[in-house]
Amino acid sequence: EIVLTQSPGTLSLSPGERATLSCGSSQSVSSYLAWYQQRPGQAPRLLIYGASTRATGIPDRFRGSGSGTDFILTISRLEPEDFAVYYCQQYGSSPYTFGPGTKVDVK
Amino acid sequence: QVRLQESGPGLVKPSETLSLTCTVSGASISSYDWHWFRQLPGKGLEWIAHISYSATTDYNPSLNSRVTISVDTSTNQVSLKLYSVTNADTAVYYCARGGGGWGQGTLVTVSS
Repeated sequence: EIVLTQSPGTLSLSPGERATLSCGSSQSVSSYLAWYQQRPGQAPRLLIYGASTRATGIPDRFRGSGSGTDFILTISRLEPEDFAVYYCQQYGSSPYTFGPGTKVDVK
Repeated sequence: QVRLQESGPGLVKPSETLSLTCTVSGASISSYDWHWFRQLPGKGLEWIAHISYSATTDYNPSLNSRVTISVDTSTNQVSLKLYSVTNADTAVYYCARGGGGWGQGTLVTVSS
């Protein structure tokens, strides 16, 4: 089973700042990596798939990069609705696993 | 717009079978892959099962073969059955389209 790690666990930032979230994989997943956003009380929302392709309707302030074992999600300028928990997920190898999440909260 | 709506019993007794249904609108179920996920209270996300558009299935081995996923093209629904549930199966259960959106989830509590 592929293990994903995410750092930091919590990121405290102000609106308008840039957020950089990391996801690491215990073995290569090529580009089979997705990022999700989960707001309190809501279902996860797909942001990025294929490591760098934004899902339909996702603003261009969200950018995914990386391949193999190291991935980055960048939010260029945080909007109030961006404060949430972010999960990475690999779908290159079953079982499809998630990272533990990074919480982006207001500083 | 593709919409997914999970439905289930809400409360299940230990050792019983949990049956969940995901009703899909706005897309033909036979055109996509479908997944079930769950989120334990206050915890992260866990993938449960996958069924491809060609009806190939794939399961998380951590569930020890207690799970079955299926589709019903006549009703455009995806179903999940989880057998011999325990308290540890208490979670919010989500269905999702492969590479697409998720339903809002349904809370299932296992308790006697």
